[in-house]
Amino acid sequence: SAVISQKPSRDICQRGTSLTIQCQVDSQVTMMFWYRQQPGQSLTLIATANQGSEATYESGFVIDKFPISRPNLTFSTLTVSNMSPEDSSIYLCSVSPGSGTEAFFGQGTRLTVV
Amino acid sequence: GQNIDQPTEMTATEGAIVQINCTYQTSGFNGLFWYQQHAGEAPTFLSYNVLDGLEEKGRFSSFLSRSKGYSYLLLKELQMKDSASYLCAVRDQYSGAGSYQLTFGKGTKLSVIP
Repeated sequence: SAVISQKPSRDICQRGTSLTIQCQVDSQVTMMFWYRQQPGQSLTLIATANQGSEATYESGFVIDKFPISRPNLTFSTLTVSNMSPEDSSIYLCSVSPGSGTEAFFGQGTRLTVV
Repeated sequence: GQNIDQPTEMTATEGAIVQINCTYQTSGFNGLFWYQQHAGEAPTFLSYNVLDGLEEKGRFSSFLSRSKGYSYLLLKELQMKDSASYLCAVRDQYSGAGSYQLTFGKGTKLSVIP
């Protein structure tokens, strides 16, 4: 199993500013995944973060808007840049420690942009 | 493309049995997961199927037919606390280093009534 500490749990931000979300895992994992969950919707993958290389972004998401850092095997950050109200969502990080295991999620960050 | 369908909402009575269906069409398949998500919280793992058949875990069971691209989650002896969204997710694309991406359905909001 894996325990993920994600912070902040929630924030209210002004449009045009940026917010960095942090995830700390209690074990070393090669891949970390960042998801967005808009109100009433399911989870959409933003990007996959591999330690030591640039993150791989899904269609519709770009590095300038959602820069990701992955400095080591237990930590990652996602920044939501130049925020607008449309960025109001829950953001979740996730790991899957092994190919035969389920994905574990952080507690989520509930972001409101005003 | 990836497509995972499940009903948007369901209502069931406390003590009853409910079945939540999920159909999928994905480019790859390495297992199907069911997650429970209470409002404002992160998803929590319920079950995992990679081979055809039924997996039972207490009040929850999950079934998979890979040839039909079909799964269901069965909840028995429903309790009020089972009111939540239930997410069907397929592990499809390989991300490297032993990790796979999860593609989520939009979720089924289950309301349990007295």
